[in-house]
Amino acid sequence: ELKVEQNPLFLSMQEGKNYTIYCNYSTTSDRLYWYRQDPGKSLESLFVLLSNGAVKQEGRLMASLDTKARLSTLHITAAVHDLSATYFCAVDMEGTGTASKLTFGTGTRLQVTL
Amino acid sequence: DTEVTQTPKHLVMGMTNKKSLKCEQHMGHRAMYWYKQKAKKPPELMFVYSYEKLSINESVPSRFSPECPNSSLLNLHLHALQPEDSALYLCASSRPYYQVGQGMIDGYTFGSGTRLTVV
Repeated sequence: ELKVEQNPLFLSMQEGKNYTIYCNYSTTSDRLYWYRQDPGKSLESLFVLLSNGAVKQEGRLMASLDTKARLSTLHITAAVHDLSATYFCAVDMEGTGTASKLTFGTGTRLQVTL
Repeated sequence: DTEVTQTPKHLVMGMTNKKSLKCEQHMGHRAMYWYKQKAKKPPELMFVYSYEKLSINESVPSRFSPECPNSSLLNLHLHALQPEDSALYLCASSRPYYQVGQGMIDGYTFGSGTRLTVV
């Protein structure tokens, strides 16, 4: 059974600081997503990483994937309050027909303080 | 149209009621999904449909009954639910696995969810 773990589970950081969220998974996969979720809202897609060594950046967020280590990271640069949310990684596995199966990590609740 | 539309947005139902959640997409995606998300937890897969046929049921209790009447619609019929079934129910659709990365980046599109409260 695929297990996807994130750490930390909760992160309180000051504005302007840098930090990294880690996502480890237990089964070989070369496809991983990062999502953001605000309280009471749905999931917002941030990145899809499709191969070993993939790196994607958008604004203050940068995601990377190491399929050999089964590890993805989400790096936050110079945090701002607007980044406060819960962040999920999710590992995608090919299924049957057109469907695949997305398994979410435990989530990291990020709180950026002034 | 690049959205997945879920209705209703909020639903309160009694334990003896029967209700349905609806999900609609017009992106031509042939895979559709139901996820359940409890507070402060990650989404958990419930059902997967591929070409309007049920391909994955993650051992969901029979009081949840999915239906995919056509390629654009996905329903979740609810009957005799328990208070612990209160959660955010998310619908999603996706392109075929092999298409993601071939110039088509967005693998999954999630709806805005239905907040269900069972009283």
